[in-house]
Amino acid sequence: GIQVEQSPPDLILQEGANSTLRCNFSDSVNNLQWFHQNPWGQLINLFYIPSGTKQNGRLSATTVATERYSLLYISSSQTTDSGVYFCAVAGADGLTFGKGTHLIIQP
Amino acid sequence: KAGVTQTPRYLIKTRGQQVTLSCSPISGHRSVSWYQQTPGQGLQFLFEYFSETQRNKGNFPGRFSGRQFSNSRSEMNVSTLELGDSALYLCASAGGGWGTEAFFGQGTRLTVV
Repeated sequence: GIQVEQSPPDLILQEGANSTLRCNFSDSVNNLQWFHQNPWGQLINLFYIPSGTKQNGRLSATTVATERYSLLYISSSQTTDSGVYFCAVAGADGLTFGKGTHLIIQP
Repeated sequence: KAGVTQTPRYLIKTRGQQVTLSCSPISGHRSVSWYQQTPGQGLQFLFEYFSETQRNKGNFPGRFSGRQFSNSRSEMNVSTLELGDSALYLCASAGGGWGTEAFFGQGTRLTVV
């Protein structure tokens, strides 16, 4: 099945800093999503981005499908950005998730 | 538009018992899929239903089963519970065919004692 790798696994930043999270996948895909898991466990949709670039406020994402990677950018981080960020791709085995990036934003 | 609703939110069961979890998808969505999240294994796909038919199944034992009703609501059942079944179970709904955007519910946290 598809392999999904996320980096870095952990990231600690000061409030106001920018960050880049990476997602590599092993096969061509027609669906890539980024999620933020809140403290209660719910996966919050950030981007549905099979290819190209999208922006939503301080967050943006880019997927280069031909090179099998996607990047999530967070600018001017706030403490509320803390949590685990997952990317997931659709394949024969449902959505395959990476292990996530655990982001901590310190005040 | 209401989101994906999962019930119950929390559940404590004893080893050997069975449990049924429920998921109501976003109105109009016909695809419902289930995932198990544990600290050791991360998020793993259980199965997906589309228009009452199981379309895909993950690598889980037969104790895990599910179904989907004509109104697209889905239930997941785990029989003969084991301690290792303790996990967060997440349900996702999607509007169309494979690869469309999935939206998740708040999850059911199951503890097996």
